Amino acid sequence: GEDVEQSLFLSVREGDSSVINCTYTDSSSTYLYWYKQEPGAGLQLLTYIFSNMDMKQDQRLTVLLNKKDKHLSLRIADTQTGDSAIYFCAESSTTNTPLVFGKGTRLSVIA
Amino acid sequence: NAGVTQTPKFRVLKTGQSMTLLCAQDMNHEYMYWYRQDPGMGLRLIHYSVGEGTTAKGEVPDGYNVSRLKKQNFLLGLESAAPSQTSVYFCASRDIQTNEKLFFGSGTQLSVL
Repeated sequence: GEDVEQSLFLSVREGDSSVINCTYTDSSSTYLYWYKQEPGAGLQLLTYIFSNMDMKQDQRLTVLLNKKDKHLSLRIADTQTGDSAIYFCAESSTTNTPLVFGKGTRLSVIA
Repeated sequence: NAGVTQTPKFRVLKTGQSMTLLCAQDMNHEYMYWYRQDPGMGLRLIHYSVGEGTTAKGEVPDGYNVSRLKKQNFLLGLESAAPSQTSVYFCASRDIQTNEKLFFGSGTQLSVL
């Protein structure tokens, strides 16, 4: 079945940029998402990108998609302590299929 | 607008006991999902529903049952709880007509002793 892989941990200093990477196996993935989970809370959508796009920017967030390599990345500029959380990559091939999530990357921001 | 509401937020069960987790959404969404989250395992889909009266199995359905008698509610049942079902359970809903994103509840922490 489809698989989504991401590294489990990332540690950065406050003010630096964070880059969280994700790879997926489903070549028919149409929608690719980044969700954020803060301690004790559910997941909240950060941003998403369609497979016909290469890049999407939203304030401090930049999503890059390399469809050929099935690689997705999330860059957070000027990382703040409030960005400390678990970040999940997810994909779905259509709006009718359930999302497949990666295991999540725990981002720790050091002041 | 409450969004997606899960009850209860915490529960402790003994092995063999049964319980039902309730998920309610007030956004008139067609699709609803139950996920479990375990350390190092990410989110795994248990069951989902594409509309009232329908259910389908996800990645890890064994030991769970679901029902979607009303569009706004999606129930997850454990008939005979096992320690392996200790987890955090998340419900989510999705409106495929307007956008593609999932709305999540705040989770249910379940411990089975």
